[in-house]
Formats: sequence, C-alpha cells, structure tokens
Amino acid sequence: DAGVTQSPTHLIKTRGQQVTLRCSPKSGHDTVSWYQQALGQGPQFIFQYYEEEERQRGNFPDRFSGHQFPNYSSELNVNALLLGDSALYLCASSWGFAGEETQYFGPGTRLLVL
Amino acid sequence: GEDVEQSLFLSVREGDSSVINCTYTDSSSTYLYWYKQEPGAGLQLLTYIFSNMDMKQDQRLTVLLNKKDKHLSLRIADTQTGDSAIYFCAESEAGTDKLIFGTGTRLQVFP
Repeated sequence: DAGVTQSPTHLIKTRGQQVTLRCSPKSGHDTVSWYQQALGQGPQFIFQYYEEEERQRGNFPDRFSGHQFPNYSSELNVNALLLGDSALYLCASSWGFAGEETQYFGPGTRLLVL
Repeated sequence: GEDVEQSLFLSVREGDSSVINCTYTDSSSTYLYWYKQEPGAGLQLLTYIFSNMDMKQDQRLTVLLNKKDKHLSLRIADTQTGDSAIYFCAESEAGTDKLIFGTGTRLQVFP
C-alpha cells in the first residue's frame, strides 16, 4: 500500500520565479492538505482540497494556489517566490468527513529560494 | 486564537521513560495527535486521542489528556536511541481537518 508521495524531493528557485509541487495521496484517501514548515518551526496549514475544490484555507497570500485532480492527486503552486518561501512543503492525505480521519504525511519537498 | 505550546528540548538516558508535554487552547478540538519527525524527513503519525478520552496506550506509547487544563502528554517507555527525533503535538480545528501544530520538542536519547 503506497503511502503519500511527493515530488520533487528538493528544489532550488530564485526570487520572483514560480514553482509547482506535486502530491499523490495514500490509496483510498480523497482529501489532500498542504502545509509549510519553516526551519525550526511546526507545520503551518496552507489549504485543503476535497472533491477538486479548495475546502479550507490558512493564512497564506494568494500567491499560494492549488489544484486537485479527479484521481485525488494535488498540486501546490507558488508564484512570485520570496526568500521567506524557503521551507519544507508537506502534503497530507485523509479520507472522510472533517475531523474523523487522521492525516498521513508525505516526505515533503524542500524548497530553497535564492 | 489557536495556539499549541511545547517545551523545546528534552534529554533522557536510554532505557528511561520520556515525557513530552503540550498545552493547547482550542477546547473544541476533536482529536489531538502526536507526530514524530526525524532529520530531513516528513511527519510520522505516532498516535492520536479522541477528545472524550483520558488515556490511550499503544505499546511503548501512553497518551494522557487533561481536557480541563488543556494539557496533553506523550510518555515513551524504555526510550531508545532510535526515538531521538522532534515530536510535534497537534490539535484538529473543530469541524475541519486543519491541524494546528506546536513548535516541536527535540528529544535526545543518550547511552
């Protein structure tokens, strides 16, 4: 049973560029959440996708956008990159109604913005 | 607002018990979680507890929940060097899947 997978594992970009990160949920899961983890901090919720729609959003600017595909996989897009966007981006998947299923995390994509 | 707090660092001798503490603010949280993160890796779900429970035991792990004081703890029995990692406490925002994490407790196990 494949767990949550993310690609790429590492990425280096320069300020002002755009980046797309990808996530495939655990088999049987239909909900994908994205988190940003800055160095030395706990993960911060970016947004969640369910049935191809953004269901909930954290306190992140519109530069952060996402998409969910019919096969439940998801992309996170960040435009106009800033140095402060350097972080580990974690994807988590779950199933079912809010709060009733635990979330399983992928290994993350480490983004470095120069 | 929502906030989860943890002590930053804990050091224990191999074979001893470790206790990692966490306080949270959202009394309506449905579930509370403990995740483990090893260097350079993602988050591994260790255990979770439903908010109407006081205690949950899972092999070497014991979770205690004091809902009145909004205090959660994770006890690791017979701590091993492989337990060295950062441990995150998280609460689920009521009615959603949004997780609110603490800043993590770095557990160091020495021989």
